[in-house]
Amino acid sequence: KAGVTQTPRYLIKTRGQQVTLSCSPISGHRSVSWYQQTPGQGLQFLFEYFSETQRNKGNFPGRFSGRQFSNSRSEMNVSTLELGDSALYLCASSSDGLYGYTFGSGTRLTVV
Amino acid sequence: GESVGLHLPTLSVQEGDNSIINCAYSNSASDYFIWYKQESGKGPQFIIDIRSNMDKRQGQRVTVLLNKTVKHLSLQIAATQPGDSAVYFCAENGAYGNNRLAFGKGNQVVVIP
Repeated sequence: KAGVTQTPRYLIKTRGQQVTLSCSPISGHRSVSWYQQTPGQGLQFLFEYFSETQRNKGNFPGRFSGRQFSNSRSEMNVSTLELGDSALYLCASSSDGLYGYTFGSGTRLTVV
Repeated sequence: GESVGLHLPTLSVQEGDNSIINCAYSNSASDYFIWYKQESGKGPQFIIDIRSNMDKRQGQRVTVLLNKTVKHLSLQIAATQPGDSAVYFCAENGAYGNNRLAFGKGNQVVVIP
């Protein structure tokens, strides 16, 4: 059974650019959530999607957005990148969004 | 705000000894708790979980204890091995609406051979 797949693994972007990250959940899982991990703030919740609908959103600016497709794959987008957006972005999938969260290996984003 | 905290930043343990990692959570409405292990360069790896209707759950070499009275969670690792060296996070669900985990800051475990 394949795990959660995140692409790309590494990204380097320049301030002001935008970036799109992708997450493919475990087959059959309908919930995908995104987290930002930094040394200073730890793991922080970005948003969660279930059956293409955003059900919950964390305290991040509107530059952070996401979507989910009918096959449950999800993307998150960050526009107008800032240096502080440099982080490990993690995606987690769950069958229902309540229990059993499995994380991917993350996308390491560096903004220069 | 969201607050799930770990008491100790670093735990050094001799190989073969037992490890105990503690976590305090702030919201009594939380009803599901998970322990994750994260190694350098990897995503969090599920270790064990527990629901609020339980106070203890055992896995392979790991035990999670939940004390709802004092809002405390602990992870016990038996016979700690070098491969157990990692950062351990506790996470809770249900406190700020379902479908979102609130994580503690993390606790580094270093296993001394």
